[in-house]
Amino acid sequence: EPEVTQTPSHQVTQMGQEVILRCVPISNHLYFYWYRQILGQKVEFLVSFYNNEISEKSEIFDDQFSVERPDGSNFTLKIRSTKLEDSAMYFCASSGNPQGGEKLFFGSGTQLSVL
Amino acid sequence: GNSVTQMEGPVTLSEEAFLTINCTYTATGYPSLFWYVQYPGEGLQLLLKATKADDKGSNKGFEATYRKETTSFHLEKGSVQVSDSAVYFCALSPNDYKLSFGAGTTVTVRA
Repeated sequence: EPEVTQTPSHQVTQMGQEVILRCVPISNHLYFYWYRQILGQKVEFLVSFYNNEISEKSEIFDDQFSVERPDGSNFTLKIRSTKLEDSAMYFCASSGNPQGGEKLFFGSGTQLSVL
Repeated sequence: GNSVTQMEGPVTLSEEAFLTINCTYTATGYPSLFWYVQYPGEGLQLLLKATKADDKGSNKGFEATYRKETTSFHLEKGSVQVSDSAVYFCALSPNDYKLSFGAGTTVTVRA
């Protein structure tokens, strides 16, 4: 089965630093997403991205967050100035046609630790 | 708003035991319901889904039925294997991509 790839698997950063989490979605997919899971809490929707723009975002996705598809293969999540509460597992997902019932494929996640 | 409540774990079972993980939901409208599974070191994988009331999703011996009257989508498997050890997430979505997840239930199956 095709895979969504996320790198790195674990990232440690200092509070206030910028981080970029990277994802390579499945090659023919058009819809991209970021979710996150703070330890002990639910997996939460952050943002969806289609046709080179954000199609929906949650309240969590404030001005500190941004997403980009810089080169047609990668899909990145940038946190401009990290806070302790940004520590979480971040999951990237992609889909070919979710409204048509096609499922989301998730990556294995990047564990972000903000010190 | 939309939310999912699922049985807290961890759950530990012996091989060939019956597994059930309860999931109830609150939603406006008629969302699709999902069970996702996360094996150690891997991403979330769709296990099964149901898109309307009374639909039964099934995969790999797991089953769940969309019960509108009880707003439930309980996951069951008649005879678990060690390879079923994983974290199981119940989820719902009004549009098939913006998923609202439960907290996850860790299942460990002993040989």
